Amino acid sequence: NAGVTQTPKFQVLKTGQSMTLQCAQDMNHNSMYWYRQDPGMGLRLIYYSASEGTTDKGEVPNGYNVSRLNKREFSLRLESAAPSQTSVYFCASRKPGPYEQYFGPGTRLTVT
Amino acid sequence: GESVGLHLPTLSVQEGDNSIINCAYSNSASDYFIWYKQESGKGPQFIIDIRSNMDKRQGQRVTVLLNKTVKHLSLQIAATQPGDSAVYFCAETYTGNQFYFGTGTSLTVIP
Repeated sequence: NAGVTQTPKFQVLKTGQSMTLQCAQDMNHNSMYWYRQDPGMGLRLIYYSASEGTTDKGEVPNGYNVSRLNKREFSLRLESAAPSQTSVYFCASRKPGPYEQYFGPGTRLTVT
Repeated sequence: GESVGLHLPTLSVQEGDNSIINCAYSNSASDYFIWYKQESGKGPQFIIDIRSNMDKRQGQRVTVLLNKTVKHLSLQIAATQPGDSAVYFCAETYTGNQFYFGTGTSLTVIP
């Protein structure tokens, strides 16, 4: 049982490049989330998916798009990366009922 | 947006002592609160949670206290161990989907 996995672990992009961060969970959870974490700050919600086929904006959605490919996978896309998107990105999932979220190990993204 | 803040950004305690980490929240409608532990280079890990209809909840070596009157949350760790060294975040939600995290407190346990 791998839990929540994220790929890649590290990425360096140039301004204007695009990329997709991948996230998968094997716990059969309905809800999935994407957060970003900047130095000295807590996590901020980018997008979430309450169930397969649905996605909703979180606190900081600008510059990002998401796809809930199936129940297991939830991807985050940066269409035109900007230095302000340099951050650590965490994916999480949650089962119905308790609000406990299970987090992946994170993707460390640097945009130059 | 929501505001979930911590009173102290860093905390150092001697091994074996008790630790208390505080958190203030701003939304009186929040009905669920969670504490997470984040070790260096890893994702946050659930510690304990509490609903707004409770004042106190205990886990293994941890206790969460909720004071709704002053919108304050605290995490108490008993007999703090070196393995407890990490950043601790509180989070709140009132929708069950939008979660708001505090900025974190870095706990250092001195052997």
